[in-house]
Amino acid sequence: DAGVIQSPRHEVTEMGQEVTLRCKPISGHDYLFWYRQTMMRGLELLIYFNNNVPIDDSGMPEDRFSAKMPNASFSTLKIQPSEPRDSAVYFCASSFKTAQDNEQFFGPGTRLTVL
Amino acid sequence: EDKVVQSPLSLVVHEGDTVTLNCSYEVTNFRSLLWYKQEKKAPTFLFMLTSSGIEKKSGRLSSILDKKELFSILNITATQTGDSAVYLCAAAAGNKLTFGGGTRVLVKP
Repeated sequence: DAGVIQSPRHEVTEMGQEVTLRCKPISGHDYLFWYRQTMMRGLELLIYFNNNVPIDDSGMPEDRFSAKMPNASFSTLKIQPSEPRDSAVYFCASSFKTAQDNEQFFGPGTRLTVL
Repeated sequence: EDKVVQSPLSLVVHEGDTVTLNCSYEVTNFRSLLWYKQEKKAPTFLFMLTSSGIEKKSGRLSSILDKKELFSILNITATQTGDSAVYLCAAAAGNKLTFGGGTRVLVKP
């Protein structure tokens, strides 16, 4: 298996632009998670899906952030409009079972820089 | 608010030394404690601990959980330069992982 796939790996954009991050989870995994990692706040859960349905988006910082999972093999995280404080590494992770019972497999991350 | 605290923040050791990393947690409905190793890219899974007092081992790494005192430790013996990384612990409750800030370990030759 190729593992969790994320694209792009690096994104540099200007403030106010729309940014879309993409994720392909491991086949057969029912749970998909989006995380953000910064030096100041560490690794934070933004949102997670179970069987393509968003379950908890309480970690999404603002209405500028949205996430979708149209099918079992694809998810997007969108930021519109982007701001410099959104600069971070965004990780997607997937797991077969719940987080408390099963390890999560992380993708390589997307390093986002908003100028 | 759920909280996970790791210590020390960072440490520098020489090859062959033993390191002990600490992780304390205060998480509602806690079920398990996970350790991850993060080098330059994505965190990679090391251990999941659900029972108190039972040590898990993988090569030179070992970990144990104390659910009464709400902490876990990760030990690395006979360290090698390849052990240099950030080590993250995470407390799991339901489908949420709350991560600590990590301990950065640098192993010098």
